[in-house]
Amino acid sequence: DSGVTQTPKHLITATGQRVTLRCSPRSGDLSVYWYQQSLDQGLQFLIQYYNGEERAKGNILERFSAQQFPDLHSELNLSSLELGDSALYFCASRPGGKAGYTFGSGTRLTVV
Amino acid sequence: DQQVKQNSPSLSVQEGRISILNCDYTNSMFDYFLWYKKYPAEGPTFLISISSIKDKNEDGRFTVFLNKSAKHLSLHIVPSQPGDSAVYFCAAIYNTDKLIFGTGTRLQVFP
Repeated sequence: DSGVTQTPKHLITATGQRVTLRCSPRSGDLSVYWYQQSLDQGLQFLIQYYNGEERAKGNILERFSAQQFPDLHSELNLSSLELGDSALYFCASRPGGKAGYTFGSGTRLTVV
Repeated sequence: DQQVKQNSPSLSVQEGRISILNCDYTNSMFDYFLWYKKYPAEGPTFLISISSIKDKNEDGRFTVFLNKSAKHLSLHIVPSQPGDSAVYFCAAIYNTDKLIFGTGTRLQVFP
């Protein structure tokens, strides 16, 4: 158990639908990062939150959005889903400094 | 624009031998580099890191070498063990502190 909790572990939904992925960071970690891993691809950075505020944006589609709540958990909202959105979505957290990124076990999203 | 590249998608090594995984980067602003290991159905786990002011960092069987002039780093695993079989990702950071990952190298260690 890495201390970063992601739910659900698996999600199957239809095209056009909307889903919410949830991440609880390690206790005390202020930063949350979202990454997408498509089939046989590397991890693509989507977005970072720090203490409730958006800190950095990567290759995140306009159909996707995220937020971090006062209790520091984060949600990634994916809407108008397309088949190509099928991927593993990882959340990571860290307390500060350069190292110390800890990943959750991911949510596998399948869009049918 | 792939700023961190792992040009070998797979590597097969015999148990007990050295595994060498390579990574190249293009952005000279990167100041910290990390290696992550990933098993199927699990998140990446941190393995070892190196600051850009160093050229070598060692932790047990794992050593990372950094050649800044060539914008190249490598991960050496000696001796390789079957449990090392996984996908290895190279990652880099600069001042925005987000990790930029390579596409990964699948290492298979066979008996």
